[in-house]
Amino acid sequence: GEDVEQSLFLSVREGDSSVINCTYTDSSSTYLYWYKQEPGAGLQLLTYIFSNMDMKQDQRLTVLLNKKDKHLSLRIADTQTGDSAIYFCAEIPYNQGGKLIFGQGTELSVKP
Amino acid sequence: NAGVTQTPKFQVLKTGQSMTLQCAQDMNHNSMYWYRQDPGMGLRLIYYSASEGTTDKGEVPNGYNVSRLNKREFSLRLESAAPSQTSVYFCASEGGRELETQYFGPGTRLLVL
Repeated sequence: GEDVEQSLFLSVREGDSSVINCTYTDSSSTYLYWYKQEPGAGLQLLTYIFSNMDMKQDQRLTVLLNKKDKHLSLRIADTQTGDSAIYFCAEIPYNQGGKLIFGQGTELSVKP
Repeated sequence: NAGVTQTPKFQVLKTGQSMTLQCAQDMNHNSMYWYRQDPGMGLRLIYYSASEGTTDKGEVPNGYNVSRLNKREFSLRLESAAPSQTSVYFCASEGGRELETQYFGPGTRLLVL
């Protein structure tokens, strides 16, 4: 079945780069997503990548997609304390009627 | 334009009590979803409604019922709450167009004693 896996925790120092990794099992998804959840809040779409792309850059965010290895990553350059949050990767497999499948979420802690 | 709203924000129940979580969206979206979030498990889909008048089970429907009252509102009911239902519940909606993202409400934190 469909499965999306992430490591649970990542700690970095302010100003460093953060890399959050995700693996998925279903290669039929047209888009793959990164959502951000700040403390006490719901999820918000952070960025996405179309499945025929290898890389997408959006200001401090870089998304890399390796379809062969079914690996997705999110790099945050110059990480700030305001980036501390839980980051979820998600996909919509072709046969799931539009339903998002989420990873477990990676809690990013940014230390001053 | 409030987006997706949920009530209540917090609730404490005793085992066996019932309650209804309310969700409303003002974006004229067709699809609505209920998720629960538990530590280390991400979001798991409880029920969803692809359009007004239809509902379908998600990954973890047992112990819950839903009602799509109209296009705006999608409620989640716990008939007899159990401690295993202690969680944070999120409602989301989606318009259905390509790349349309899901918009999430702020969540309801439920503690069942």
